[in-house]
Amino acid sequence: DQQVKQNSPSLSVQEGRISILNCDYTNSMFDYFLWYKKYPAEGPTFLISISSIKDKNEDGRFTVFLNKSAKHLSLHIVPSQPGDSAVYFCAASLGNSIGATNKLIFGTGTLLAVQP
Amino acid sequence: NAGVMQNPRHLVRRRGQEARLRCSPMKGHSHVYWYRQLPEEGLKFMVYLQKENIIDESGMPKERFSAEFPKEGPSILRIQQVVRGDSAAYFCASSGSKDTEAFFGQGTRLTVV
Repeated sequence: DQQVKQNSPSLSVQEGRISILNCDYTNSMFDYFLWYKKYPAEGPTFLISISSIKDKNEDGRFTVFLNKSAKHLSLHIVPSQPGDSAVYFCAASLGNSIGATNKLIFGTGTLLAVQP
Repeated sequence: NAGVMQNPRHLVRRRGQEARLRCSPMKGHSHVYWYRQLPEEGLKFMVYLQKENIIDESGMPKERFSAEFPKEGPSILRIQQVVRGDSAAYFCASSGSKDTEAFFGQGTRLTVV
């Protein structure tokens, strides 16, 4: 039972353009969502998060949007850079802050390739 | 300040052997989490430990798997009598408290032959 789904296994974007990574979830009790970036042979690195009481959170080139009614969130990267090429994981938590529980439910990941 | 250290980075075991994976949390962190990533899948939560206590082991397989986080020393994830299906990347994360961000280690890639 996959509670967090990333339906696009890969995405290719031109440098300077916008990258949009999507994530859907099924459990309406999730109240905190996070995006992680992962390079090969390394552990996931926290990128950005959003609480369920918000619909948008922005940090530099990264913005996360949350649509609770659709149980959908997306990560926008603009402008995309070659160094952004990595696997991006969406994760959800039942806690009400970034670490109220670090028992995270991860999606399967989307491999982003930013072409120079 | 060193990050979360996992060793070994790569571990090869024959079927039936034991695998011991170690995780040293970041300095000052007393909360440790273990995740497993099977091929083509996302990371799946296994267990959450504080010093000398298992807080949540709801993601641990019922048999052959155990975890500990002693008062002194690293956290250990132990897999007895390994089978091919145990081949995966095992990630450890640590946090300073249950309400702060957890940082991940680089993982241990276990291959069972």
